Amino acid sequence: DAGITQSPRHKVTETGTPVTLRCHQTENHRYMYWYRQDPGHGLRLIHYSYGVKDTDKGEVSDGYSVSRSKTEDFLLTLESATSSQTSVYFCAISEPGELFFGEGSRLTVL
Amino acid sequence: GQQLNQSPQSMFIQEGEDVSMNCTSSSIFNTWLWYKQDPGEGPVLLIALYKAGELTSNGRLTAQFGITRKDSFLNISASIPSDVGIYFCAGQLGEYGNKLVFGAGTILRVKS
Repeated sequence: DAGITQSPRHKVTETGTPVTLRCHQTENHRYMYWYRQDPGHGLRLIHYSYGVKDTDKGEVSDGYSVSRSKTEDFLLTLESATSSQTSVYFCAISEPGELFFGEGSRLTVL
Repeated sequence: GQQLNQSPQSMFIQEGEDVSMNCTSSSIFNTWLWYKQDPGEGPVLLIALYKAGELTSNGRLTAQFGITRKDSFLNISASIPSDVGIYFCAGQLGEYGNKLVFGAGTILRVKS
């Protein structure tokens, strides 16, 4: 158990609505990440954080924003969800040389 | 972006068989990670490799960091039904996961 909790685990929403996914860690790791996983594309990095209020973009950041106000929490926000953002979202935390994933949040945008 | 070629894409296993899969890249990596993902769950780290030539075991799993630093393989010996799932390799360029590149995965299924 890597001490990562994602919420919600499942969400169905409509196009154009805002959505926020939360990742909570109990490990006090400096680095946190948001990935999405889609068939044919594997795991792709959306955004990551290297400390409180320190974030940077990943490979597929368009349409997403993140915030980290506390070490233990990393929020992913879709300001206006689109159908192309239907996916499974994974939070991850890391220490040097290792990366641990949460259980995932399945988001469906209708 | 950078690509990892993971093969095979899928394979069928019979209980007791040994299984091999590998990842290759045109890039050099500092770390190789191997994950297993069960349906509806997040990837779970199986083995981490940090040095070229390193051979590491975790129970029935053995993984090696290629000498050229551009490849890695994972072997599963004497497979059992609970080995089914998706196995991912990942190559890491820096110290942290923002420089991680994932393979597309190898799907392990049980031969009926």
